[in-house]
Amino acid sequence: QQQVKQSPQSLIVQKGGISIINCAYENTAFDYFPWYQQFPGKGPALLIAIRPDVSEKKEGRFTISFNKSAKQFSLHIMDSQPGDSATYFCAASMEDGTSYGKLTFGQGTILTVHP
Amino acid sequence: NAGVTQTPKFQVLKTGQSMTLQCAQDMNHEYMSWYRQDPGMGLRLIHYSVGAGITDQGEVPNGYNVSRSTTEDFPLRLLSAAPSQTSVYFCASRTTIGTSSSYEQYFGPGTRLTVT
Repeated sequence: QQQVKQSPQSLIVQKGGISIINCAYENTAFDYFPWYQQFPGKGPALLIAIRPDVSEKKEGRFTISFNKSAKQFSLHIMDSQPGDSATYFCAASMEDGTSYGKLTFGQGTILTVHP
Repeated sequence: NAGVTQTPKFQVLKTGQSMTLQCAQDMNHEYMSWYRQDPGMGLRLIHYSVGAGITDQGEVPNGYNVSRSTTEDFPLRLLSAAPSQTSVYFCASRTTIGTSSSYEQYFGPGTRLTVT
């Protein structure tokens, strides 16, 4: 049962463009939503994360938009660069006292930024 | 700080063989976990541990065994390898205290396992 659905599967963007990746979740108990970036041959690394008490979080060129009522969140990469070419995973977890840390991942999006 | 380390990087097994994937972290993290990554399926949780002597099952635990005798180490054992266990395996760790800024999980570089 896939509780976090991610789209698109792959994305090609020109340098300087905006990359947008979307995720939808089912479990309303999720309260922590991170995005991970993974380069070939490496482990995933945390890029940015959001809690449901805010609708948007920005860190440099990366922004998470969160819509609690629609159970959706998205990653926006502004001014996309070739160095941003990687696989991106959204994830969700419940950070209460008993269930913390168990990340449910989306299927992943392969982003290619052409120079 | 080496962070999270995993050995081996690559492994080929024959069906029915057993092996142990090693994972160690030097950040004094209480929480450690194992994920497997398969194309089109993201990462799925196999087993996790909230501290030495405490382990529990994740989403896909069948065919895998874990133990946690120290804070630093969390090995994953394949009891009798099957082709369906061909995957990339990642170990991760995080702290269990603090605010949401401490929820970050640190992943190792992965072990690519092929079972023939």
